[in-house]
Parts: sequence; C-alpha cells; structure tokens
Amino acid sequence: GAVVSQHPSRVICKSGTSVKIECRSLDFQATTMFWYRQFPKQSLMLMATSNEGSKATYEQGVEKDKFLINHASLTLSTLTVTSAHPEDSSFYICSAPPTVTGLNYGYTFGSGTRLTVV
Amino acid sequence: GDSVTQMEGPVTLSEEAFLTINCTYTATGYPSLFWYVQYPGEGLQLLLKATKADDKGSNKGFEATYRKETTSFHLEKGSVQVSDSAVYFCALTRYVNQGGKLIFGQGTELSVKP
Repeated sequence: GAVVSQHPSRVICKSGTSVKIECRSLDFQATTMFWYRQFPKQSLMLMATSNEGSKATYEQGVEKDKFLINHASLTLSTLTVTSAHPEDSSFYICSAPPTVTGLNYGYTFGSGTRLTVV
Repeated sequence: GDSVTQMEGPVTLSEEAFLTINCTYTATGYPSLFWYVQYPGEGLQLLLKATKADDKGSNKGFEATYRKETTSFHLEKGSVQVSDSAVYFCALTRYVNQGGKLIFGQGTELSVKP
C-alpha cells in the first residue's frame, strides 16, 4: 500500500516552455504533498507543501510564480515549471506524509522526474 | 531552524568492511529520525527509522540508534556489500504524526568495491 505514482519520469523541454509534473496517490488519499528538488550529488531541498483545497505553502527563496503547485483532489498534486530555463534542470520528487497510512508506511516518495531544459 | 548534518562523501570501502556514516541534527523537542537510501537512477527508499530517544532502527543489516544526548543518529553496518553502493540520506521530522515535512541532510555517497 501507500504508492505515489509520479509522471513523467524524464522530460526534455525547450527554454521558455512550461512543464507539468504529476503525482498521484494510488491507494490512499493524500491531503498533503511535499515537493522536493534535488541537484546532482546534493540533498533534497523542500520547495513547497501542497494541501488539497488550499494554496500551497512555499519555502523561503522558492519562486511561487515559476513553480506553480496545485492540489486539485485528494489523489492528485501537480507541479508546473513555468517558462523553464536551463537552471531549472533538476530532479523533482514528490512525497506524501504518513498521515493517512500511518507511520509504518513512512513517507511515500514518487520515483522522481528528471527535467532537462535545453 | 531544524537541520541535519551528515559526514561528507564519497565514502569508498572494500566489500565486507565496516561502515559508519555520521549524522547529527539540530531540532527542538523530540524529532523522529530516518535514514533513506537512493540507488543510482532511483527514488528514495526508507531504510530505517527511530521515533524516540534510545530507539534502535534496523533493516537489511543496517542499524542506527537515536542518541538524544549527542543529537546523533549514526548509520552502521558490520559488513558492506557491493549492492550497498548508493547515496544515504539522514532526515528528521518534528511532526511525524501530523504529516510534518522531512528535513534532509546533504547525503553521503557510498561506493563499495569488490
């Protein structure tokens, strides 16, 4: 149980275009989703927390207008990188907390999206 | 704010060597502590966890003990294998039962040679 499906796994886009990344909770309802960004050989940096039915909470220094987060339903959270530039190239990971499934399942992570902006 | 500090990598060991990856944290109260592993090209997997002081988490031969007095959660394994080569992340959360956010250390890359 407690599976988060993240798509796409890899995407290459041109500078100036927008890319949407989806995370779906397959067998539970995720009222909250965390979005992380990981640079090569570096740690995961929390970007924002999405909450179903309300505005996302962004971490300090994260551009809200560039990284649009939407939590439209209890099973879907999306991250849209708008007007992407090469410096946005990174590995993006979503994670659902153990609020519903209990601590035994821990935090559930999507498999990640490798974004390359050319 | 809360933070996690790990020993810098990469760590290179021979097969069957003893492994220690140091992790210390800064947080108020009593956070829950985790070790996650990321194999090449894959997402994060929970390796082990501890939710209170003196708890020992263990899995797949790895162990870590929650030391409140030294604010540490060092990862150990008695005999590493080539298949253990991966990046290891120490993490904490202060609100696990409320779905609080995870704070990660910088990660330590482990390379095990045959």
